[in-house]
Amino acid sequence: NAGVTQTPKFQVLKTGQSMTLQCAQDMNHEYMSWYRQDPGMGLRLIHYSVGAGITDQGEVPNGYNVSRSTTEDFPLRLLSAAPSQTSVYFCASRGRYHEAFFGQGTRLTVV
Amino acid sequence: AQTVTQSQPEMSVQEAETVTLSCTYDTSENNYYLFWYKQPPSRQMILVIRQEAYKQQNATENRFSVNFQKAAKSFSLKISDSQLGDTAMYFCAFVPNFGNEKLTFGTGTRLTIIP
Repeated sequence: NAGVTQTPKFQVLKTGQSMTLQCAQDMNHEYMSWYRQDPGMGLRLIHYSVGAGITDQGEVPNGYNVSRSTTEDFPLRLLSAAPSQTSVYFCASRGRYHEAFFGQGTRLTVV
Repeated sequence: AQTVTQSQPEMSVQEAETVTLSCTYDTSENNYYLFWYKQPPSRQMILVIRQEAYKQQNATENRFSVNFQKAAKSFSLKISDSQLGDTAMYFCAFVPNFGNEKLTFGTGTRLTIIP
């Protein structure tokens, strides 16, 4: 039972580089989202999607891009990495009772 | 906008004791869900317990139970017979039960179980 699979687990980028965090779920959930977790700030919503072809911004969308071509996949793209994007990133899908099912998280460091 | 407040950044308790983590929230909605998530050092976010606002009965899951006070907008988590494996960050979260509203998280409480 895979649930939400998120890769990679760790990543180091240089300032200005771009990369894509991958996220896939096998629960046929329509709603998927990306959060970043920073010390003392809880989890903040970056982008979300309510279904294939539909995405929208969350609280902290600047510097990030998403697309949703299938129900299963919801990748997050960092366009030009900055030190302020050093964080832990979580992908999640939403279940029947609005609960979030999380991936394993990605620790990203931008140097 | 909804807000979730966890006023205890850190707590510690002796193994086998009972501990209560506090959470308050602010909303004008009447129908919503509340959750507690556990994040151990492995970083994985694990759903501990869920409460539906229209249910008066407090949710329980084994050693975990909540005290849901809707009028006071309070949602505390009680951990009984605490175990070393309970050491983790605990996050309270809120979501309205309609549409595609976002899940709002508190800032977390770091709980340490002392052997």
